[in-house]
Amino acid sequence: ETGVTQTPRHLVMGMTNKKSLKCEQHLGHNAMYWYKQSAKKPLELMFVYSLEERVENNSVPSRFSPECPNSSHLFLHLHTLQPEDSALYLCASSQDGTGFGELFFGEGSRLTVL
Amino acid sequence: GEDVEQSLFLSVREGDSSVINCTYTDSSSTYLYWYKQEPGAGLQLLTYIFSNMDMKQDQRLTVLLNKKDKHLSLRIADTQTGDSAIYFCAERRYNNNDMRFGAGTRLTVKP
Repeated sequence: ETGVTQTPRHLVMGMTNKKSLKCEQHLGHNAMYWYKQSAKKPLELMFVYSLEERVENNSVPSRFSPECPNSSHLFLHLHTLQPEDSALYLCASSQDGTGFGELFFGEGSRLTVL
Repeated sequence: GEDVEQSLFLSVREGDSSVINCTYTDSSSTYLYWYKQEPGAGLQLLTYIFSNMDMKQDQRLTVLLNKKDKHLSLRIADTQTGDSAIYFCAERRYNNNDMRFGAGTRLTVKP
């Protein structure tokens, strides 16, 4: 138990569906992250929020839309995805977005796009 | 090429030492990390080293850093079957939100 909870753990969706991934952290951290882990590439940083403000967006397609309503919650809204978007999506948090910043990861949401 | 590079597989016998190697490219990286990912789980921090250190030991784990060659290694002494997992090397620049990960080394420990 890392203090970072992701739901759902598994999601199967069609290319025309709209779905959301949810992440919640109980650690009192100020920064939250979305990473994509696929078989073909190392962990890719998608989005970073620090104090609920987006501070980094690594050129992620607009079919992925993050939302950070407060420092404990992070969402990833998914719309008209492609099969190549199938991957494990990992949420992480850290005390803040700078300095040492150990990341605490959730267990991930395994997404399959048909 | 990738910023952080690791070999993809390592297989050892139980009780032997494992050495997982990593090279990184950003000389300004301030912190270097080793994360462990067990099947079906997220990543968990194993250990880290600050860039002004060249060695750090924590029980069965020894981290060696050669900053000149930008080479990081993780040695696991007396490797156990429970150590079977994927090990990720990562670098982070101070005041930078982007932690760069290698592709991960899958360690298999045979009885």
